[in-house]
This record gives sequence, structure tokens and C-alpha cells, in this order.
Amino acid sequence: QVQLVQSGAEVKKPGTSVKVSCKASGYTFTHYVIHWVRQAPGQSLEWMGWINAGNGDKKFSQKFQDRVTITTDTSASIAYMELSSLRSEDSAVYYCSRNRPGSFELDYWGQGTLVIVSS
Amino acid sequence: QSVLTQPPSASGTPGQRVTISCSGTSSNIGNNYVYWYQQFPETAPKLLIYDNNQRPSGVPDRFSGSKSDTSASLAISGLRSEDEANYYCAAWDDSLSGGVFGGGTKLTV
Repeated sequence: QVQLVQSGAEVKKPGTSVKVSCKASGYTFTHYVIHWVRQAPGQSLEWMGWINAGNGDKKFSQKFQDRVTITTDTSASIAYMELSSLRSEDSAVYYCSRNRPGSFELDYWGQGTLVIVSS
Repeated sequence: QSVLTQPPSASGTPGQRVTISCSGTSSNIGNNYVYWYQQFPETAPKLLIYDNNQRPSGVPDRFSGSKSDTSASLAISGLRSEDEANYYCAAWDDSLSGGVFGGGTKLTV
């Protein structure tokens, strides 16, 4: 069965970076796109960007494009999202999800990774 | 502030039919498919409706979606207590070249 398993919770200081991983299984990793979506406490969902695991194409939200790096390790079927220059407002649950290229249908999601930014 | 507009709350009694609206613009809902996600507290969102009105396997037919121009709706018929959750609409936005979500609607049964 399809699974996206994310790395564990992180506590970071302002100004540092965090790298969250998302290990995929149960499907051909390179046939899909991985999206990253975050959710601040009590808030809605916020799309951050995607990477095509097959050809490496990427697209980022304008809000994050200067601070976010999204990569994949296709040999291990893992996607990574690194967010730099962290501030308190980046405290949120970060989700990875997948979809087929050409759509925004996020059919499977990771369990989420809580990132707390605090001095 | 979310790009797509949803009412913050909705409510109904068991057995009733409720609808949740989602309003956008020509650059998102007007020109692209709409998706709906259901989210329970402390869990990841779950795809409920895709391509405006299609249900993934396993989603009861009590849930239905529709779209007209720049607005979309999620309807839940035969309301059950287990439907109490947050519901989010989503679409691709051509102007932003990115995904956009609604602010979410908390459904109380």
C-alpha cells in the first residue's frame, strides 16, 4: 500500500534551518510529484512547493522560494524539504503528499512533521 | 488570508444535508479542477473529492462536489457524527503558479 512516512518532530532556533524527509513506498516514486504543504496551529493549509520525482522539475510558492529547498533521493525514494532562516511564524506541521504530474489531486499524505521554532 | 473563501463553520443534525461553499476567481476555480479534503484533529488531510465531483475509492457517496464558474460546493447528505471535521477546498492557481487552499470549514454535527 502507498505510504509516505515523514521524519520526526524538530525544535529549532530562529535563524537556523530544518530539513524534513518523506520516505515513499508502495508505488513507483519517479512516476509522481511530491508536494509540501504546511499548517500552522489552528490555521489552514498552505502550499509550499513541489518536485517532480521523475525529472527533478520544481516549483515553489513565491512566499517561500528564497528559503525553501526541495530535493529527492530517487535511489531511496525519499523527498526532502529544507527551510532556512527560520522564524517563529514557521512553527507548523509540515506535510508531504503526492500527485500525478499535471494535477493537484493530493491522494496520499505523510503523517506530518511538527517543527517548532523557538529561542 | 486564504486565496479561496470558505465559511469558517457549518453545522447540521444527524441525517440532514449540509453544503459548504468555496469561492475563488477565474485564475483558480474558474479555470481548474477543485479538490476537497477532510481533516480530523491531529491527523493529515484526506482527499475527499477530486476533479470537481469525483470520489476516490472508499469515500461514501454521501459526499458530493460541484462547481459553477468561480465557485464550488461540497455537499454531505445523511449527516453522521463521524463527519464532524474540518473541510478544505483547493485548486491550482494559474496566476500564482501554485496551489491554493480555502481557509477551512469546521463542521459540527
